[in-house]
Amino acid sequence: DGGITQSPKYLFRKEGQNVTLSCEQNLNHDAMYWYRQDPGQGLRLIYYSQIVNDFQKGDIAEGYSVSREKKESFPLTVTSAQKNPTAFYLCASSIDGLVRPSSEQFFGPGTRLTVL
Amino acid sequence: QKEVEQNSGPLSVPEGAIASLNCTYSDRGSQSFFWYRQYSGKSPELIMFIYSNGDKEDGRFTAQLNKASQYVSLLIRDSQPSDSATYLCAVRNSGYSTLTFGKGTMLLVSP
Repeated sequence: DGGITQSPKYLFRKEGQNVTLSCEQNLNHDAMYWYRQDPGQGLRLIYYSQIVNDFQKGDIAEGYSVSREKKESFPLTVTSAQKNPTAFYLCASSIDGLVRPSSEQFFGPGTRLTVL
Repeated sequence: QKEVEQNSGPLSVPEGAIASLNCTYSDRGSQSFFWYRQYSGKSPELIMFIYSNGDKEDGRFTAQLNKASQYVSLLIRDSQPSDSATYLCAVRNSGYSTLTFGKGTMLLVSP
């Protein structure tokens, strides 16, 4: 059963702690993305990766870090430097990094992070 | 900064009516446009994409694109209560392999 999985579904963090959100895909997609969504807001791009061992900052990368050591995995670390991390985090993937006009981006189920 | 604008709504329509959702974008070089549906608390799911001027139909959904006016719309015919959700417009950024999303329009379909 192909798809994108994210874990955990809910995550609670104390202020000052780093936490890592997992994203795995078995779609054999080259590109993976991390977005953040706040209530009433659209999706904002945090980081993206088009190939293994390479990634680029999105619009709101400060306070976050990523790695892409394997094609199927793109974990996101929310560091203590992120001042307002409470949000809904969405991981996505696309087969070829949206190179073709018809390339599509698919989303995982999301992780809801709350800072206590 | 590339921008994608949507009316936040809510847009309220009765069951069976046509719902019209609109989106404007600032990047004149954008080539591909996507409509996602997002139910409350869930992740977005792709409904349609369009990259040629004109209309594209898929079942009850029709996407319309006018690049000269930098405008893309989604029409939902025979609206159902199950269509009640937030609809996100996304634009592929020219020169980049990324999307810029609007804030979404909430659609409410009443029985």
